Amino acid sequence: EIVLTQSPGTLSLSPGERATLSCRASQTVSSSYLAWYQQKPGQAPRLLIYGASNRATGIPDRFSGSGSGTDFTLTISRLEPEDFAVYYCQQCGSSPPEFTFGPGTKVDIK
Amino acid sequence: QVQLQETGPGLVRPSQTLSLTCTVSGASFTSSGFYWSWIRQHPGQGLEWIGFIDHSGSTHYSSSLQSRLSISIDTSKNQFSLRLNSVTAADTAVYYCARVATGGLWGLKSFYFYGMDVWGQGTTVTVSS
Repeated sequence: EIVLTQSPGTLSLSPGERATLSCRASQTVSSSYLAWYQQKPGQAPRLLIYGASNRATGIPDRFSGSGSGTDFTLTISRLEPEDFAVYYCQQCGSSPPEFTFGPGTKVDIK
Repeated sequence: QVQLQETGPGLVRPSQTLSLTCTVSGASFTSSGFYWSWIRQHPGQGLEWIGFIDHSGSTHYSSSLQSRLSISIDTSKNQFSLRLNSVTAADTAVYYCARVATGGLWGLKSFYFYGMDVWGQGTTVTVSS
């Protein structure tokens, strides 16, 4: 079973700053199988990125994803007030079909 | 616009069965490339995948829950359901249903995961006597 580790656990930044979130897998993950989600308090998660680097429908271009192999990154180029939330990476396993989420990174206001 | 809505009891007694239903609107279960999943979130914790089902009724479950878990689908009602047996306080969580978007055949090189692109709002289930 692939384990995902996210760092840092909490990222304290100010609006307008750049946020860099890391997701590390215990084994190689195909880029086609890696997604990122945003979750705000009391809300369901929202898909941000799929295929490691593709923005989902309606996601602003300040969000970008990159990486391959075991190391993946979500970058928010300039934080807007609505971006303060928890971010999860997720991988999709092919055999057996399964999903794993990372523990999350909380981006809060400094 | 695709929407998912979870329904079910908010309180379940220990050792009983937790039953939830997800009603899908704006999408057809028979469309290829989509799977229908359950995910839960313990209070103050991260996301835990539970299992998923496809339109034919084929299922895949989390290894940690599979002995207690059953997911079924009713295409005539556009609903899929979760049943979790022998619940304990550790099953207290917010339960979400979500659509999984994929391309190609699972396990083949051509397979592509487009993410869990539509989620229900979630329903809180408390296990307590």
